[in-house]
Amino acid sequence: GESVGLHLPTLSVQEGDNSIINCAYSNSASDYFIWYKQESGKGPQFIIDIRSNMDKRQGQRVTVLLNKTVKHLSLQIAATQPGDSAVYFCAENFYNNAGNMLTFGGGTRLMVKP
Amino acid sequence: DAGVIQSPRHEVTEMGQEVTLRCKPISGHDYLFWYRQTMMRGLELLIYFNNNVPIDDSGMPEDRFSAKMPNASFSTLKIQPSEPRDSAVYFCASSSGSGEKLFFGSGTQLSVL
Repeated sequence: GESVGLHLPTLSVQEGDNSIINCAYSNSASDYFIWYKQESGKGPQFIIDIRSNMDKRQGQRVTVLLNKTVKHLSLQIAATQPGDSAVYFCAENFYNNAGNMLTFGGGTRLMVKP
Repeated sequence: DAGVIQSPRHEVTEMGQEVTLRCKPISGHDYLFWYRQTMMRGLELLIYFNNNVPIDDSGMPEDRFSAKMPNASFSTLKIQPSEPRDSAVYFCASSSGSGEKLFFGSGTQLSVL
């Protein structure tokens, strides 16, 4: 689910189905990961996070899975609703010379069909 | 808490004018970040502060951009002079610690004509 510039990857699902949004992160030293949801005209909102000592974390209707071997993160949304339509960003945290840095992926657009 | 508050929500200006964007972070958050979002480049970190001190401004595009944080509850991002390519949504975010989750404001939609 990485952006390639002008074109955001788009996932289209039927209302009530489950959604899976994927993210390939870049740094094997990243130790903390976050999923954000951004609705049109709003700032990114925190959904769920996971630390590198875990491989799965569940919230309300959302689950994040972390596969450190292949540097892959996914967000699963159960029983997708029209209100879930948004752009979803993954973010990874790693330490560099400037301190701990949260770096965002390009985003994936989720469209929910009624 | 009202969350991160940004103003204005929308700004339309002419090329060459000075633009000032404002941000009030969440009370108690020691870190404040300025991001720019465009379709072409996504979310870009411009600068961040810790305890009102700029830590990393390597993302500031050029000398026309400057940011200040005179106290723990207020920050500004200034563009002087503005250019059409500065048109974007500018977000302010704050967090309680280094590497912790960010809380974003609603953004300022800047259009430079």
